[in-house]
Amino acid sequence: AQSVTQLDSQVPVFEEAPVELRCNYSSSVSVYLFWYVQYPNQGLQLLLKYLSGSTLVKGINGFEAEFNKSQTSFHLRKPSVHISDTAEYFCAVRNQAGTALIFGKGTTLSVSS
Amino acid sequence: EADIYQTPRYLVIGTGKKITLECSQTMGHDKMYWYQQDPGMELHLIHYSYGVNSTEKGDLSSESTVSRIRTEHFPLTLESARPSHTSQYLCASSSRGRTDTQYFGPGTRLTVL
Repeated sequence: AQSVTQLDSQVPVFEEAPVELRCNYSSSVSVYLFWYVQYPNQGLQLLLKYLSGSTLVKGINGFEAEFNKSQTSFHLRKPSVHISDTAEYFCAVRNQAGTALIFGKGTTLSVSS
Repeated sequence: EADIYQTPRYLVIGTGKKITLECSQTMGHDKMYWYQQDPGMELHLIHYSYGVNSTEKGDLSSESTVSRIRTEHFPLTLESARPSHTSQYLCASSSRGRTDTQYFGPGTRLTVL
């Protein structure tokens, strides 16, 4: 069965510092991977997605992620975070049937000055 | 920008009441989904639809029901609300194809007293 593991439940960082949010997946078929962000009291917004091709994926708000098939990872990175990046981040993989997404438990990114 | 709407955003209701959570999208998407999200937890799929008159149950068992009479509308109903139904409910939609991105609404936070 497919699954997603987000290795850190909370990541506190200072403004302008780099950040990496870690995500590992398990899947026996072709993977389609996603990162979503959820701001307080809002729905999920797509940050970026990997479907095929280049393993380095660039998304919105300066985020990028690298697909690593050998390590079954899809870590999210940003070289310099802002206070406004404080939010919950979810990694997801499309299920084998293609009917829906399987989500990790989320990582809370807290950016302070 | 995704155009998917959910009402109400917040609902506090007593045990035993019948409730309907509304979800509408203006993107002409064929596929629609309902996810349930408990605080600090991942999202779980409870219902999905591939088109009009098509509905399926998701991975997480739910006492709720859904209908899809119009492409743009995918309401979720609880016939008799219970405290165990307290959660956040997120609606999403996507167009045809396995790789299509899911767009999320802002969510409905339901509290059953």
